[in-house]
Amino acid sequence: LAKTTQPISMDSYEGQEVNITCSHNNIATNDYITWYQQFPSQGPRFIIQGYKTKVTNEVASLFIPADRKSSTLSLPRVSLSDTAVYYCLVDGDYSGAGSYQLTFGKGTKLSVIP
Amino acid sequence: DAGVIQSPRHEVTEMGQEVTLRCKPISGHDYLFWYRQTMMRGLELLIYFNNNVPIDDSGMPEDRFSAKMPNASFSTLKIQPSEPRDSAVYFCASSFGSPGELFFGEGSRLTVL
Repeated sequence: LAKTTQPISMDSYEGQEVNITCSHNNIATNDYITWYQQFPSQGPRFIIQGYKTKVTNEVASLFIPADRKSSTLSLPRVSLSDTAVYYCLVDGDYSGAGSYQLTFGKGTKLSVIP
Repeated sequence: DAGVIQSPRHEVTEMGQEVTLRCKPISGHDYLFWYRQTMMRGLELLIYFNNNVPIDDSGMPEDRFSAKMPNASFSTLKIQPSEPRDSAVYFCASSFGSPGELFFGEGSRLTVL
């Protein structure tokens, strides 16, 4: 099963771009990479998902190199409200037991400083 | 459209008591997940269902924990008897397809005294 490794914490000033990298050396061919955001006292919330190259939506970009052994979540111009924990997930087809990842781990705690 | 609904939001009970947590997934979703979150262990998957059938319960800590999904719109996670180490926030999530975007509820904060 692919295991993900992320930094425990990061600090950033308001207005800066933040890049959070996740390592997943054992990612399988059918696995997707998904990022979630969690605020205190709330459940995680989906940010973005990708398979390869680059994916962009209204809140973030996800960069995945050709070997797919890592991925980088990019948050442009962060604000104080982006202070949260960010989780990287590697998940494939979990229609069958044992073939899933769905492991959130402890994530990266991002603190945005005024 | 309503999101995933969990109840109760907060539960305080005494050791040895039975605890039942409830979840209503998003209509149309075919997967339902139960997670537990603590400071020490982070967010752990306990069990998940596909079309109301339990697929993998290897994350359930011990026999005191059980989960059911009698129909597509309701699931329960039961702890009997409860212990102080069960104190945590329990999240329910649902998704459509695999792999899909997980939609989480607000969580049930359980405190066992």
